[in-house]
Amino acid sequence: GPKVLQIPSHQIIDMGQMVTLNCDPVSNHLYFYWYKQILGQQMEFLVNFYNGKVMEKSKLFKDQFSVERPDGSYFTLKIQPTALEDSAVYFCASSLAAGYQNTLYFGAGTRLSVL
Amino acid sequence: GDSVTQTEGPVTLSEGTSLTVNCSYETKQYPTLFWYVQYPGEGPQLLFKVPKANEKGSNRGFEATYNKEATSFHLQKASVQESDSAVYYCALSGYGSSGNKLIFGIGTLLSVKP
Repeated sequence: GPKVLQIPSHQIIDMGQMVTLNCDPVSNHLYFYWYKQILGQQMEFLVNFYNGKVMEKSKLFKDQFSVERPDGSYFTLKIQPTALEDSAVYFCASSLAAGYQNTLYFGAGTRLSVL
Repeated sequence: GDSVTQTEGPVTLSEGTSLTVNCSYETKQYPTLFWYVQYPGEGPQLLFKVPKANEKGSNRGFEATYNKEATSFHLQKASVQESDSAVYYCALSGYGSSGNKLIFGIGTLLSVKP
């Protein structure tokens, strides 16, 4: 089936540094998402993105977070500066269309460890 | 707000036995309900979805009925196999302001022993 690739699979950084998580979505998909999963907890929605703009974000999407997809390349999540509570697995997803019946396709996740 | 509650794992079964993973939800909307499955080293992938109340979804021997009265969407399989070992997520999406915002349950880790 369609594949979403996330790079890297694991990232270790020191608190206060900047980190960029990269996502290569399914090629013809138009809607992009980030989810956050802290160990032992639910996967939670962070943000969705369409046509170069954030459409909706949750309260977890702090001011230190930003997303972009310059020129149809990777869809990225940048955290600057990082905090200890940002340690989690971040899942990227994409979908062809919007709407509550649409299927999201997920990557395998990037495990972020903030020391 | 919207929420999903499902069986807490881990669940360990022997091959050939039956599986039930309970899922209940809360929402004021008319959601589509989903089951996603995550195999080791992979991302969650759609198992099946049901957009309408009182309908059943199924795939690979798994099935669930969208029960609007009981607000439930329990996952069942009559005879599990070792290859079914994975994490199973119940999720819902309601008609929201944009895109598709899935609300997930905590996930249920299933281990099937040969």
